[in-house]
Amino acid sequence: DIQMTQSPSSLSASVGDRVTITCRASQGISKSLNWYQQPPGKAPKLLISVASSLQGGVPSRFSGSGSGTDFTLTISGLQPEDSATYYCQQSYSTPSFGGGTKVEI
Amino acid sequence: QVQLAESGGALVKPGGSLRLSCAASGFTFNDYYMSWIRQAPGRGLEWVAYISGRGHTIYYADSVKGRFTISRDNAKNSLYLQLNILRAEDTAVYYCATYNYDDDGHYYFDNWGQGTLVTVSS
Repeated sequence: DIQMTQSPSSLSASVGDRVTITCRASQGISKSLNWYQQPPGKAPKLLISVASSLQGGVPSRFSGSGSGTDFTLTISGLQPEDSATYYCQQSYSTPSFGGGTKVEI
Repeated sequence: QVQLAESGGALVKPGGSLRLSCAASGFTFNDYYMSWIRQAPGRGLEWVAYISGRGHTIYYADSVKGRFTISRDNAKNSLYLQLNILRAEDTAVYYCATYNYDDDGHYYFDNWGQGTLVTVSS
């Protein structure tokens, strides 16, 4: 099984800040990496697929990059509504999620 | 628009059984892989199982293999999860989700329900 490790596990930032979350796979997964946003008490929502493909309706301040084992999610210009937990997920083999990164504003 | 609505969550004793359902609408159900994903209280997301559009391909997480069974009824646009031999560590919100893929075969969970809570406790 492929293990996904996210860092940091939590962070606190201010409105307008640039925030970066990293995700590392235990083996190479090409670009089979997705990012999800889960606001408190709500279901997860797909933000980015295939490492960098922004889903429709997702603000352009969100971006993803990486391939192989190392990936990043960047929020450029943090907004109050971005307060949530963010998860990476690999689909190279049977799915697995990272442990999550809680973003507080 | 795509809608997924889970039901069937309940309080059940260890060793007990439960059947979860997910009613789907707004898309051609039998064209899509479907999946169950769970989240224990205060914890992260854990993939549980997925099933192909016609039900011929099924995979389970090791943590539930042999105890849980995923199935679907395409005539009813419904997905199911049979949970047997339940343990305290199965306590979680269970989400159903579409497991979609692009032309290059990259998969992602692109639509989620609101979840149903399963509590395993004596």
